[in-house]
Amino acid sequence: ELKVEQNPLFLSMQEGKNYTIYCNYSTTSDRLYWYRQDPGKSLESLFVLLSNGAVKQEGRLMASLDTKARLSTLHITAAVHDLSATYFCAVFLMNRDDKIIFGKGTRLHILP
Amino acid sequence: DAMVIQNPRYQVTQFGKPVTLSCSQTLNHNVMYWYQQKSSQAPKLLFHYYDKDFNNEADTPDNFQSRRPNTSFCFLDIRSPGLGDAAMYLCATSRDLGETQYFGPGTRLLVL
Repeated sequence: ELKVEQNPLFLSMQEGKNYTIYCNYSTTSDRLYWYRQDPGKSLESLFVLLSNGAVKQEGRLMASLDTKARLSTLHITAAVHDLSATYFCAVFLMNRDDKIIFGKGTRLHILP
Repeated sequence: DAMVIQNPRYQVTQFGKPVTLSCSQTLNHNVMYWYQQKSSQAPKLLFHYYDKDFNNEADTPDNFQSRRPNTSFCFLDIRSPGLGDAAMYLCATSRDLGETQYFGPGTRLLVL
């Protein structure tokens, strides 16, 4: 059974600081997603990572994928308050049920 | 322009009284999903349709049913809502299995 683990689950940080959220998964997959969710809102797609070594950046967020280590990271550079949200990683279980498994999410709170 | 639309945004029902939630999409995507998300938890996949093919998750209660009368619309029927069914229900679409999911705004269900 595929397990997707994120850490930390909660993170409080100061504006201007850098930090990394980690997403580990337990079985082979070459497709990983990062989503953002604001309180009371739906999920917004941030990145889709499709191959080993893939790196994508959007503004202050950068995501990477290491399929050999079964690890993805979401790096936040010079955090700003507007990035406060819950971030979910999700992994595609291809050819085995063909479904996406979500991690528990990382609740990020950036202090002004 | 909204691409995945859910109605209603808020639904209040009584214990045991059937309720139907609606999702429509303008993306012409093949796959439509229904997720249940409880407070501070990850979304939990209930079922998905690939075109007309219905795929039920093994742990989805029989109380939950779905219909997809055409490409654009998908419905979630809760036959006898219990207090534990109070949650946010998210509809999502993707062009194909494993591709980026686009989420609707969600329907928040309250069971009295």
